Amino acid sequence: SQTIHQWPATLVQPVGSPLSLECTVEGTSNPNLYWYRQAAGRGLQLLFYSVGIGQISSEVPQNLSASRPQDRQFILSSKKLLLSDSGFYLCAWSRQGAGTEAFFGQGTRLTVV
Amino acid sequence: AQSVSQHNHHVILSEAASLELGCNYSYGGTVNLFWYVQYPGQHLQLLLKYFSGDPLVKGIKGFEAEFIKSKFSFNLRKPSVQWSDTAEYFCAVNAGDSSYKLIFGSGTRLLVRP
Repeated sequence: SQTIHQWPATLVQPVGSPLSLECTVEGTSNPNLYWYRQAAGRGLQLLFYSVGIGQISSEVPQNLSASRPQDRQFILSSKKLLLSDSGFYLCAWSRQGAGTEAFFGQGTRLTVV
Repeated sequence: AQSVSQHNHHVILSEAASLELGCNYSYGGTVNLFWYVQYPGQHLQLLLKYFSGDPLVKGIKGFEAEFIKSKFSFNLRKPSVQWSDTAEYFCAVNAGDSSYKLIFGSGTRLLVRP
């Protein structure tokens, strides 16, 4: 069966510090991978998605970047965090092909102080 | 660009009441439609999905949704809610022809009072 791991579960970082959130998927190959940010009352905002190694599509210009160094690994990064980067970040995967359902990780609660 | 609107942000019902949550999307082509649920303290789970065929889709836990193409809608329904249905519900759309993007609505928080 397929599983998705996302860590850490919670993170408190000072303004200006770097960020690295990691997501890995097991039990499948060549998945589509996604990073979302969830804010109360605003639903899930799609940040990045990837259909293959090294292929990243950015949806929202911001202080964050994403990378996919391996087939089942998706990393969300920032060189210098802003207060506005605080939020709940979710990683998800779906099977290859357009229009398939997504499976979500447990999320990371990021607080920038 | 695709977008999804959920008009009800907060819904409060008593047990055994009927539920209908609205979802409208904006995209003129083929779409795949989803409802996800997030129970308190848990991760997002798929409730049901529509890809093609019968526009009335049945999901888990007695939920169903109807795709009405002419209205660009995919409303979620349940005839009789339970306290355990208290959760946040998200509608999502994917442009089915070529897009890998899954776009979510803003969510509806449902509180069911015992």
